[in-house]
Amino acid sequence: GDSVTQTEGLVTLTKGLPVMLNCTYQTTYSPFLFWYVQHLNEAPKLLLKSSTDNKRTEHQGFYATLHKSSSSFHLQKSSVQLSDSALYFCALSENTGNYKYVFGAGTRLKVIA
Amino acid sequence: EAAVTQSPRNKVAVTGGKVTLSCNQTNNHNNMYWYRQDTGHGLRLIHYSYGAGSTEKGDIPDGYKASRPSQENFSLILELATPSQTSVYFCASGVRDRGSSYEQYFGPGTRLTVL
Repeated sequence: GDSVTQTEGLVTLTKGLPVMLNCTYQTTYSPFLFWYVQHLNEAPKLLLKSSTDNKRTEHQGFYATLHKSSSSFHLQKSSVQLSDSALYFCALSENTGNYKYVFGAGTRLKVIA
Repeated sequence: EAAVTQSPRNKVAVTGGKVTLSCNQTNNHNNMYWYRQDTGHGLRLIHYSYGAGSTEKGDIPDGYKASRPSQENFSLILELATPSQTSVYFCASGVRDRGSSYEQYFGPGTRLTVL
C-alpha cells in the first residue's frame, strides 16, 4: 500500500536560518503530494500541494518540488520565523479518484530566538 | 474556506461507555473523513464517506462506527469506549479543485479521554 515517510520527529532551529523537512513516499499510482501545517491546538491547514514533476510550488515563503524520480517532496524555507513553529505533515493522495490521504507521522518544527 | 465544526471539543468518557462525536460542514462537500491523531503516528483514517447514507472503512476502523445521515453531518461512534481510544479526533471534508487534486479541510478537533 501507499506510504509516506517523514524522517525527522523534531527539528529545532534558530530564527533566520533555512530549513528543510524531508518527505518521501511510496505509491504505484500517479501521486498528489501535500504539506499541511498544524499550529498548537488548531486544525491542520493546507500549505502546499503538487502533482507536477520537477516544478517548484510556493506559498507563504515555503516551497517544495515534487521529484518523482526520487519519490520526494521536501518542504523548505530560506529563513524561518518564530511563527513557523508548528507540526508539519506530508500527505499523499492517488490520482485515481480514490479520495483518501495517507499522512506521514509529522515533523515538529521549533524555532527559537 | 470550508467550514467544518466538531462537537464536543472535549470529552471525558468511562470505559465501556458509548461516545458519539459529531461533525458538521456547511460547504456541500461530498466526502467526509474521521481521523485520529496520536504522537508518532500522524493522522490515521478511521472512516470516511462519499455522501449521505454511505460510510467506508478506513485504515483503523476497529472499535468505531460511522454514520452519515445527511450531506452536512458525519458522526463517529464508539459503542464500547476503551482507554486505547484516548486521542484527538479530527473530522475533515473534501473537494476536488480545478487542478483535479483533492483538498481536505479539517475541523478544530475533539480531545477524547477514556478513563
